[in-house]
Amino acid sequence: SQQGEEDPQALSIQEGENATMNCSYKTSINNLQWYRQNSGRGLVHLILIRSNEREKHSGRLRVTLDTSKKSSSLLITASRAADTASYFCATGIYSGGGADGLTFGKGTHLIIQP
Amino acid sequence: GAVVSQHPSWVICKSGTSVKIECRSLDFQATTMFWYRQFPKQSLMLMATSNEGSKATYEQGVEKDKFLINHASLTLSTLTVTSAHPEDSSFYICSARDPRLVTYNEQFFGPGTRLTVL
Repeated sequence: SQQGEEDPQALSIQEGENATMNCSYKTSINNLQWYRQNSGRGLVHLILIRSNEREKHSGRLRVTLDTSKKSSSLLITASRAADTASYFCATGIYSGGGADGLTFGKGTHLIIQP
Repeated sequence: GAVVSQHPSWVICKSGTSVKIECRSLDFQATTMFWYRQFPKQSLMLMATSNEGSKATYEQGVEKDKFLINHASLTLSTLTVTSAHPEDSSFYICSARDPRLVTYNEQFFGPGTRLTVL
């Protein structure tokens, strides 16, 4: 089965700096999604990028997708203390006859130092 | 956007008892819901796919007799952890697929249920 792998596993930066996280996966996908999870909480959907898209923006977030390398990156610009959280990429395949669950990567724990 | 709720938010139970967790789609009908489990400091792992009106599909390694799933209506799926043991302590999260967004498998997650088995 496919698997998303993020790197780095943990990242600590100063407030105001940009944070970049990467994700790699193994099989063909229809879409790749990024989620944020604050400690002990549910997931917040950040952004979905479709397999025919190369880049997508949402506020301070920028996601890229390179299907030839089976990789994606999430860039958070001008980071804030509130961005401290774990970030997961998740890949999904739509099989036509029904939906498949998402496969999550191990996550990147981001700490923004004030 | 679509809203998914879970109940309870947390539960503590004794070993050997059964616990039921509910997942509801509040403003849309969900023909498909998913159940995930997350152990501390780890990622989410898909446990099963819950389909309204039919049997759930379990991922490899997940015991279907231990984790009973019932998707009796288009807005409710339940996960029952039977004869719970301490190793079942985890964070259980459900998600629902909105059929109005069928093509790209967008899913909406509940807030999660933290289960602690003593």
